[in-house]
Order: sequence, then C-alpha cells, then structure tokens
Amino acid sequence: QKEVEQDPGPLSVPEGAIVSLNCTYSNSAFQYFMWYRQYSRKGPELLMYTYSSGNKEDGRFTAQVDKSSKYISLFIRDSQPSDSATYLCAMSGIDSWGKLQFGAGTQVVVTP
Amino acid sequence: DSGVTQTPKHLITATGQRVTLRCSPRSGDLSVYWYQQSLDQGLQFLIQYYNGEERAKGNILERFSAQQFPDLHSELNLSSLELGDSALYFCASSAGGQGIGEQFFGPGTRLTVL
Repeated sequence: QKEVEQDPGPLSVPEGAIVSLNCTYSNSAFQYFMWYRQYSRKGPELLMYTYSSGNKEDGRFTAQVDKSSKYISLFIRDSQPSDSATYLCAMSGIDSWGKLQFGAGTQVVVTP
Repeated sequence: DSGVTQTPKHLITATGQRVTLRCSPRSGDLSVYWYQQSLDQGLQFLIQYYNGEERAKGNILERFSAQQFPDLHSELNLSSLELGDSALYFCASSAGGQGIGEQFFGPGTRLTVL
C-alpha cells in the first residue's frame, strides 16, 4: 500500500465549477502538506503549503487538512480552462529532511 | 518561473552511457533536492543536499550519484544507463536544511535512453 493515495482521474468539470481534489495518507508523522500543479512536461508549481490541521485560503484555492482522518483536500473555485493540469499532493514529516512523498496526481480538465 | 534552473532540457543517450544533469537553486536557497518522475512510479525523491553536504537519501540507485558545489549548484550523475532510467528528472530547492518549508521545482531534464 502506498503512503499517499490520490485518484489519478481524469476529473472533468465545466468552466466556473468547483474542483474538489483529495489525498489520503497512512503515515501519521506527516506534518507538512503541499499541493502542486503540473502542466504537461513542466516542473511542478507550488500552489499551497500548510502545516498540520486546518484550512488555508489563497485566492481561488482552499486547502484543508484533517490529520485525524489522514485526509487532505484542495478546492478550486470558479475554475478556468487554464486550471486544466495535473494536481499533485505532497507531504513530509519533521524528521524526513524535506523528503516529499507525492501522490500519483489527479488530472483535471476544465471544459469551456 | 520558480527561479530554479536545470540543464539540459532534453538528453538522448544510449544504454551503458553516463550523463550529468545540472541544477542551480533559487538565489539564497541552500538545499537542493533531486526527484525522478516516470509514468509508472510518479514523482520519487532521490537525494537532498544542504550547503554542500548530503542530508537525505531516497530510493536512489547505486549507479546514480550527486554532489553540491561551493556555489550551491548541484549535479546528478547517472551511469551505466538502462532503458528504465528514461524519465523526467527534477531539481527543487528550499531555503532551509531540515526540509521544512516550500520546495520550488525547476523545469526538469527529460532523459531518453535508447
């Protein structure tokens, strides 16, 4: 079983809809949680960085962490065709020296 | 643009050969990380350097090695290449040494082994 599980999709939504993405994990030592966006054949781009449980909002993006359920989410409001990409969750622990454990990535397609 | 640069963008080589991938971190960042992304394995952590010293190792093959130089740029050396080494190789950098904090990724080097 992988430490981080993420549905690969694809997830297709109409423009303007809310995109809901999530990851589950098994390692209770994970403390830092990130979401990256990756366009085809490009480097991952950091979207959100959160520490421990709670919510964080940045523009159209909201990240949620529920450590008790080992579950993290990313919501994208008012989705645009330019949001079409693969979204990767990543996480690490205090003692892991930055070794990020990535999910498989969810491909999102926003249709005009 | 993350501020992390990688060269070359593409590399095509033959089995058994050796290649060197280069990474320059963001200005001021002391940590460099190397990751491999393949279709079947996803993004996998290989190794981390902080201010010239190796700090963490992932599932890095013995045929692979890395180093970080005094000017903080890093090189990943891949030797005795096999078909299965074909992948995207990313470098990331962060400010701190313990890996706490955002990691910013470069554009990657696409390696094709024929």
